[in-house]
Amino acid sequence: DTGVSQDPRHKITKRGQNVTFRCDPISEHNRLYWYRQTLGQGPEFLTYFQNEAQLEKSRLLSDRFSAERPKGSFSTLEIQRTEQGDSAMYLCASSTRPYEQYFGPGTRLTVT
Amino acid sequence: AQSVTQLGSHVSVSEGALVLLRCNYSSSVPPYLFWYVQYPNQGLQLLLKYTSAATLVKGINGFEAEFKKSETSFHLTKPSAHMSDAAEYFCAVSESDNNNDMRFGAGTRLTVKP
Repeated sequence: DTGVSQDPRHKITKRGQNVTFRCDPISEHNRLYWYRQTLGQGPEFLTYFQNEAQLEKSRLLSDRFSAERPKGSFSTLEIQRTEQGDSAMYLCASSTRPYEQYFGPGTRLTVT
Repeated sequence: AQSVTQLGSHVSVSEGALVLLRCNYSSSVPPYLFWYVQYPNQGLQLLLKYTSAATLVKGINGFEAEFKKSETSFHLTKPSAHMSDAAEYFCAVSESDNNNDMRFGAGTRLTVKP
């Protein structure tokens, strides 16, 4: 069990650029979650996958955001035409059973 | 929709003193409740969870929490604080087994003074 990993850990981009983040869940974990955490706040749910199916999307996930989980393993979160308001920590979590989500270290995005 | 309120954005205790972090929830159905800890520049780690079994839940690192339905509370306690307990603590509520509706509180930063 190597834990949930996320790449990159930090990303600085200019407004208007596209960015993509990757999450590798714990092996055999079929559930995968994305959250966004802004400074001084708790994480906010963005989206949820069970295997390769995206089953839930928050209204926070605007048209500029897209998430995929091909083959039910790793997942990517892409933000198009980034805005300064997108600056946040993006957290990924995975689980294999209810009530126990294991979080990765997060990707900190700074949009200048 | 379910929600969580954490009373006190900052709590400071002396090493060896009681730790009490407060959490009140709102839910239309019997909730699942969680406490997570976050150290600087790291992800969240599950401390403990309530899933409708025993109302007193014991977690890692000596923490425990009690579910009180009448008070809609799920406060986190530890009898004796240690310097390594200094971190951000988040209470969370979910109404589904999948926890795809998890709502987190704003967090409480715990400082432990020597």
